[in-house]
Amino acid sequence: GAGVSQTPSNKVTEKGKYVELRCDPISGHTALYWYRQSLGQGPEFLIYFQGTGAADDSGLPNDRFFAVRPEGSVSTLKIQRTERGDSAVYLCASSFNKQDTQYFGPGTRLTVL
Amino acid sequence: EDQVTQSPEALRLQEGESSSLNCSYTVSGLRGLFWYRQDPGKGPEFLFTLYSAGEEKEKERLKATLTKKESFLHITAPKPEDSATYLCAVRDLSGGYQKVTFGTGTKLQVIP
Repeated sequence: GAGVSQTPSNKVTEKGKYVELRCDPISGHTALYWYRQSLGQGPEFLIYFQGTGAADDSGLPNDRFFAVRPEGSVSTLKIQRTERGDSAVYLCASSFNKQDTQYFGPGTRLTVL
Repeated sequence: EDQVTQSPEALRLQEGESSSLNCSYTVSGLRGLFWYRQDPGKGPEFLFTLYSAGEEKEKERLKATLTKKESFLHITAPKPEDSATYLCAVRDLSGGYQKVTFGTGTKLQVIP
């Protein structure tokens, strides 16, 4: 079956701009997660959704980062006033429920110039 | 705070040369230890979940084992296509089931 998909695969933007990254989870998965992976590091937790609500956003680095999942399926990670330090691969994962294994998408590589 | 340490950082093997990757962890209450494989430019691909000490799981040339302090990923007679970064991660009771903490990975290169 179809896995987790993310768009775009690459995004290049200028410092100070606004970006949106999209995640389409595996059908039927109620739990959705966003991670950030810097070069040479493991993925770092950002936010977790159960259904439509952000149940745990403790990993978001600051208030420039925000994510939504309005219909309990597709999620969008939004970054305002981007900074060069935001450059990383943003990974999305989904699972049937929060106790289940997380399956990852291919990621979006964000480059802030 | 959960800690996951993987060693070695990088490993270079000849094709057919078996070895093991190590993942040491510190958690207050383990609710799952995960192994993922990550190819360059791709997302992590799920391999195994282990829940309790003594548990073992196998898939082709890979075998994962778990003790109370560490996990090993044994690679038997590796092939060049096994080259990838192998990530270990833990889920802890105190972090809630949703929060998974990853190590920095072991980059494996298998030379033909």
